[in-house]
Amino acid sequence: QKEVEQDPGPLSVPEGAIVSLNCTYSNSAFQYFMWYRQYSRKGPELLMYTYSSGNKEDGRFTAQVDKSSKYISLFIRDSQPSDSATYLCAMSGSGGSYIPTFGRGTSLIVHP
Amino acid sequence: EPEVTQTPSHQVTQMGQEVILRCVPISNHLYFYWYRQILGQKVEFLVSFYNNEISEKSEIFDDQFSVERPDGSNFTLKIRSTKLEDSAMYFCASSEALTSVSYEQYFGPGTRLTVT
Repeated sequence: QKEVEQDPGPLSVPEGAIVSLNCTYSNSAFQYFMWYRQYSRKGPELLMYTYSSGNKEDGRFTAQVDKSSKYISLFIRDSQPSDSATYLCAMSGSGGSYIPTFGRGTSLIVHP
Repeated sequence: EPEVTQTPSHQVTQMGQEVILRCVPISNHLYFYWYRQILGQKVEFLVSFYNNEISEKSEIFDDQFSVERPDGSNFTLKIRSTKLEDSAMYFCASSEALTSVSYEQYFGPGTRLTVT
C-alpha cells in the first residue's frame, strides 16, 4: 500500500465553484499535514499546514485532517482561474523526521 | 522577495556521463535539500544538508549521488554516472532552520535532467 495516495485528476471546475481536494495515507505516525501548490514550471510552494486532526482556515482555503480515517482535504472557496495549478498533499513527523512525503498531486483547472 | 535559484533549467546528458546541478539557496538559510520528480510521479526526497554534512538521506540517494556546498552561496548535486532512470525534474530547497513545518522549505524552479 502506497504511503500517500492522491487522485491526479485533472479536476476542471467553473470559476466561483467550491473545490475539494483529498488525500489518503497509510502511516498513522504522520503528525503534520501540508498542502503545496505547484504552478507549471515552478517548484512547490507551501500553502497550508495542519498539526494533527482538525481544521485550519486561511482566506478562501480550508484544510481538514481526519487522523482516524487517515484522510485529509483541502477546500477552495470561490475558486479563481489563478488557482489553476497542481496541488500536492504532503505529510511528515513520522519517526521524528520533518521531511515531507508527497502525494502525486491533483491538477486543478478553474475555467472562467 | 528572496528565492531559490537553480541552473541550468534544462540539462541533457548521455548515459554514463557525470552531471552537476547547481542551486543558490536563500542567503540566510542554513538547511538545504534536494528532491526529484520523475514525470507524472511524486516529488521524492533525496537528501538534506546542514553544516557541511548530510543530515538525512533517502534510499534513492545512493553512491552515485553526492552533494556539496563548495562556497558560501552554491549548493550542488552531482550524479556520477547517469542512467536513463535519472531523467527527472530536480528541485533544490532551503529552509531557515531545522525543518519543522513552521520553518517552511522554499523550493527552486527545478532543473529538468534528460538522460539519453
